[in-house]
Amino acid sequence: NAGVTQTPKFQVLKTGQSMTLQCAQDMNHNSMYWYRQDPGMGLRLIYYSASEGTTDKGEVPNGYNVSRLNKREFSLRLESAAPSQTSVYFCASSEPRTGAEKLFFGSGTQLSVL
Amino acid sequence: AQKITQTQPGMFVQEKEAVTLDCTYDTSDPSYGLFWYKQPSSGEMIFLIYQGSYDQQNATEGRYSLNFQKARKSANLVISASQLGDSAMYFCAMREGGTGGFKTIFGAGTRLFVKA
Repeated sequence: NAGVTQTPKFQVLKTGQSMTLQCAQDMNHNSMYWYRQDPGMGLRLIYYSASEGTTDKGEVPNGYNVSRLNKREFSLRLESAAPSQTSVYFCASSEPRTGAEKLFFGSGTQLSVL
Repeated sequence: AQKITQTQPGMFVQEKEAVTLDCTYDTSDPSYGLFWYKQPSSGEMIFLIYQGSYDQQNATEGRYSLNFQKARKSANLVISASQLGDSAMYFCAMREGGTGGFKTIFGAGTRLFVKA
């Protein structure tokens, strides 16, 4: 059981380049999330999708777009990367209706923008 | 507005002793959930414990317990009999509902150092 799979694991971009981070989960979860973690800091919510077909802004959405492609996949796009977007990005999923709806995390993507 | 506050950037504890990591939260949603996650130096996020806002008893999971004081809006994590492997970052998180559905937000974290 793979859980939450993120690709790529590492990426280096130049300022102004675009890229898409991919995330897929195989647990049939309704909710999916994108977080960023800057060095020595907590996770900040970028966007989330409570269910297929819906997306909402989190705490730090500026500079990002998301697509909930289907129930399994939730992608994060940087249209014009900036050095301030250098961070580790985590995708996560959960099933809110189970009660103790803990987050299942991917292994993270380390992104550097030069 | 800060919704999850962890006031201890770093904590030291002697091996085999107990340690309490503080967390306070703010929400107007009557239904919410509180979580603690551990992040070792390898970077993965590990779920430790969950407390629902309507749960009457404090949650426990092995050496982890959550001291839930609803009126004070605090959800402190207690680790008993600390081990060297407990050295890590610890994050308090809160799930709350909203018009867009449920979302979970995190505090800034506490780095725990366990001394031999």
